[in-house]
Amino acid sequence: GQNIDQPTEMTATEGAIVQINCTYQTSGFNGLFWYQQHAGEAPTFLSYNVLDGLEEKGRFSSFLSRSKGYSYLLLKELQMKDSASYLCAVRDQDYQLIWGAGTKLIIKP
Amino acid sequence: IAGITQAPTSQILAAGRRMTLRCTQDMRHNAMYWYRQDLGLGLRLIHYSNTAGTTGKGEVPDGYSVSRANTDDFPLTLASAVPSQTSVYFCASSDTPTDTQYFGPGTRLTVL
Repeated sequence: GQNIDQPTEMTATEGAIVQINCTYQTSGFNGLFWYQQHAGEAPTFLSYNVLDGLEEKGRFSSFLSRSKGYSYLLLKELQMKDSASYLCAVRDQDYQLIWGAGTKLIIKP
Repeated sequence: IAGITQAPTSQILAAGRRMTLRCTQDMRHNAMYWYRQDLGLGLRLIHYSNTAGTTGKGEVPDGYSVSRANTDDFPLTLASAVPSQTSVYFCASSDTPTDTQYFGPGTRLTVL
């Protein structure tokens, strides 16, 4: 079966750095997405990786290793507004998105 | 209208009733999707449409039906609601099936 694993919850301090990991086992691979979802709101697109390596976008970076079935989202200079759930999703061989359950990130002052 | 809208925002429904969740997008995206989101689970695809006039089944299609008569609208119908269909429903769209998906604000549905 297809499976996306990410930690259920993480806690970090305002101003610090946090890394959210995602491992996947899917039928084929056509890209990996990270979305942010604030409580009670819709998921919003953060990043997309299809080749190995690091993609940087401001305070957020995303890394992919296809051989290891692994990605991480790195958030720097954490702000209170970064408190949200972070969803990892993999596009499989049929171009359908397979979603992880999400990582709830709690930021403390 | 800007982006994707969904209606209603929330609904409480008696079991056995018929319900249609509405989704409209103004981005002229070809592909549209319906997901449900339940606590502790990832988003699960119910149905999708790669272009107007075509639909396909996702991971959890039973008890749901969709239609895509035009580019903008993609309604989701529950023919006879059951309590297990209590969930948050998100509609999404993308320019093509291989592009990034953008989500509507969601509909919170409770079936009693």
